[in-house]
Amino acid sequence: DAGVIQSPRHEVTEMGQEVTLRCKPISGHDYLFWYRQTMMRGLELLIYFNNNVPIDDSGMPEDRFSAKMPNASFSTLKIQPSEPRDSAVYFCASGTSGGGVSRQYFGPGTRLTVT
Amino acid sequence: QQQVKQSPQSLIVQKGGIPIINCAYENTAFDYFPWYQQFPGKGPALLIAIRPDVSEKKEGRFTISFNKSAKQFSLHIMDSQPGDSATYFCAASRDDKIIFGKGTRLHILP
Repeated sequence: DAGVIQSPRHEVTEMGQEVTLRCKPISGHDYLFWYRQTMMRGLELLIYFNNNVPIDDSGMPEDRFSAKMPNASFSTLKIQPSEPRDSAVYFCASGTSGGGVSRQYFGPGTRLTVT
Repeated sequence: QQQVKQSPQSLIVQKGGIPIINCAYENTAFDYFPWYQQFPGKGPALLIAIRPDVSEKKEGRFTISFNKSAKQFSLHIMDSQPGDSATYFCAASRDDKIIFGKGTRLHILP
């Protein structure tokens, strides 16, 4: 299996631009998670989906962030407009119903820099 | 009540030593406690996990000790090696919620 695939791996953008991060979960997994990692705040869960339905979005920092999962094999995290404080590594992870939220398989991450 | 407090933030140990990373949780509804290991430039990966009905779990050189009454758990790495240098995250979860600690950056000196 290819594992969780994220694109792009690196993104540099200017403040105010729209940023879209993409994730392809492991085939057959029905949980999908989005995280943000910074030195200051550690690993923060932003939102997760179960069977393409958002279950918990309490970690989404503000309305500038939105996430969608149109089908079982694709999800996006969008930031519009982006700000320098959004600079971080964003991880996508997936999991099975057997493991629930506890056993997650992380992708390699997208390093976002907003200048 | 949803926090998981992890310490220390960073740790340096000589090769062969036993680094210990500690975590404490508040919500007794949590029923699964995984540890994740993250190497630089990679995503975290599940390392080992424990349920609160056991006090200890070993997998290779990695051991989790669990103290349910104190709501604390810890990771021990026996005979640590430079290849164990990574960031370690503890977590606490229940059916629909997982909370991660802030991570411990571990460096094993050769």
